[in-house]
Amino acid sequence: GAVVSQHPSRVICKSGTSVKIECRSLDFQATTMFWYRQFPKQSLMLMATSNEGSKATYEQGVEKDKFLINHASLTLSTLTVTSAHPEDSSFYICSAAGDDNYGYTFGSGTRLT
Amino acid sequence: DAKTTQPTSMDCAEGRAANLPCNHSTISGNEYVYWYRQIHSQGPQYIIHGLKNNETNEMASLIITEDRKSSTLILPHATLRDTAVYYCIVRVAGSSARQLTFGSGTQLTVLP
Repeated sequence: GAVVSQHPSRVICKSGTSVKIECRSLDFQATTMFWYRQFPKQSLMLMATSNEGSKATYEQGVEKDKFLINHASLTLSTLTVTSAHPEDSSFYICSAAGDDNYGYTFGSGTRLT
Repeated sequence: DAKTTQPTSMDCAEGRAANLPCNHSTISGNEYVYWYRQIHSQGPQYIIHGLKNNETNEMASLIITEDRKSSTLILPHATLRDTAVYYCIVRVAGSSARQLTFGSGTQLTVLP
């Protein structure tokens, strides 16, 4: 089945530094990938839609200059949290749509502290 | 995508069937019912989906009412590893460019 690999699984950083999270589709090509954020005891909230070869589409209230998304190939999308601060601590999850008959495949998530 | 309503939480005894309901009364004719689950601190996992016929796979069964306004996910023999938040999502298939929208889901706790 379709596999999405997300790294790192956990990262701790100092305020003001940047963190890059990678999301790879291992056995299929993903034209579109999605980035979600999940705060404790809350549901997943879509942050942005990442399209290969074009600019990402951000949801309302998500700062595009703070959460940089690059989708340079059909198998890799990256999310960079720039100048991270404590309020950015969250669980970040990517997903990709492969064979639509089987829905979306999600990465294992990245816990950012 | 149509809105879904699920109970906030449910308990189930280990080894028994877990029946998780979902209401989607505004579902349209071309919308599928998808179920995902999220085990604590992991990414969501696809379980099953269906349009109008009942579906079964190695993980679960999906029963959709004839009017398609509600459905039930059945885990036939729940184990402790099935403890998770279960999300019922309604969406149009065939459009991989559209995101999944997650509601609050149902926290299923399987008790020993």
